[in-house]
Amino acid sequence: QSALTQPASVSGSPGQSITISCTGTSSDVGKQHLVSWYQQESGKAPKVMIYEDTKRPSGISNRFSGSKSGNTASLTISGLQAEDEADYYCFSYTDSNTWVFGGGTKLTVV
Amino acid sequence: QVQLQESGPGPVKPWETLSLTCTVSGGSMSNYCWSWIRQPPGKGLEWIGYICSNGGTSISPSLRSRVTTSVDTSKSQFSLNLSSVTAADTAVYYCAKYHYDMSTTLHTHLDFWGQGTLVTVSS
Repeated sequence: QSALTQPASVSGSPGQSITISCTGTSSDVGKQHLVSWYQQESGKAPKVMIYEDTKRPSGISNRFSGSKSGNTASLTISGLQAEDEADYYCFSYTDSNTWVFGGGTKLTVV
Repeated sequence: QVQLQESGPGPVKPWETLSLTCTVSGGSMSNYCWSWIRQPPGKGLEWIGYICSNGGTSISPSLRSRVTTSVDTSKSQFSLNLSSVTAADTAVYYCAKYHYDMSTTLHTHLDFWGQGTLVTVSS
């Protein structure tokens, strides 16, 4: 199975909105509502930000939102803050009963 | 609050077997699935596989021939063995817990993670 496709990097200014895409196939991203997104700060373990495509865990800012259209899932961060600078990964269940990560996207807040 | 802690013997020599254990505290292992993930230095996350408390497993196709997993709920531990390691297996290895949605009976995402442990393969 191949990693899901994410842009290597995105950037934005404080207060702006950015969107990170995650493209797979009808066998993974497009299969079920089981895409999640993780934020990984430097040297730390990943932390879930969005699950089941669009749901936000308690304690996660409503500036983070998820969506999906066909085989592409997206993470949008609105009102960008310096503290959002991190690596972001999508993660999806596949129809082979396995799971796969995206390649990761480095978010820079300039 | 569930906590996970990876532990292992330290550096591993090429062609030997890498063995890691994840100890779970603050909650029961029963009715959940537990995952291993790794991250080579400077690279992205790679899903290795999962094992459930009832013994059910799934392993990434790229690692299936070299990976075995086990679970011991009485000790609140699950383990990973990766055989015939090479330098390409050098990575931070994480253990994590799957969230279980009772309404859909699906394991939906990884909600708790260990801090990770760096395993270096070197002669």
